Amino acid sequence: DQQVKQNSPSLSVQEGRISILNCDYTNSMFDYFLWYKKYPAEGPTFLISISSIKDKNEDGRFTVFLNKSAKHLSLHIVPSQPGDSAVYFCAAQAMTRGSARQLTFGSGTQLTVLP
Amino acid sequence: KAGVTQTPRYLIKTRGQQVTLSCSPISGHRSVSWYQQTPGQGLQFLFEYFSETQRNKGNFPGRFSGRQFSNSRSEMNVSTLELGDSALYLCASSLDGTVVEKLFFGSGTQLSVL
Repeated sequence: DQQVKQNSPSLSVQEGRISILNCDYTNSMFDYFLWYKKYPAEGPTFLISISSIKDKNEDGRFTVFLNKSAKHLSLHIVPSQPGDSAVYFCAAQAMTRGSARQLTFGSGTQLTVLP
Repeated sequence: KAGVTQTPRYLIKTRGQQVTLSCSPISGHRSVSWYQQTPGQGLQFLFEYFSETQRNKGNFPGRFSGRQFSNSRSEMNVSTLELGDSALYLCASSLDGTVVEKLFFGSGTQLSVL
């Protein structure tokens, strides 16, 4: 039972255009969402996050949109650059027993930005 | 500040053997989580340790275990290895894991079971 789904395993975009990566979730207890970027042979690195009380968060070329009613979030990269080519993971957090927080990840989307 | 360090970087084992992976968190971080990454499955949560206690556990069989030491370093053990255990095992640390915050990941240990 995948609580966080990234239905597109791969995405190719031309350099300079917009990249849109999508993520859906099913658990209504999730209250914080994050995007991580992963290059081969490296661990994931944090990219951008959004709290469930917001519907948009921007950081430079990266913007995350959250639609709580649809349980959907998306990551927009504008403009896309070849260095953005990586696997992008969507992740969601919820409070668990003992006040600890646990991240649930999607399966990732491989973004390729073509020069 | 040094990042999260995982050793070894690569491991090759055969079925039935056991393996121990090590993780040193960022200095001052007391929460350590372990994740398994396999192609098409994303990152699956294994367990989280805080102050030498396992605080959360994912849906993995009992062959997967871990521990945390007083200096916050953590080890993960997999006994009776199966072919399906071949994966990248990632360790992540955070300050205390009780508030919304990002995790800092190590580069992982690539385990191959033959």
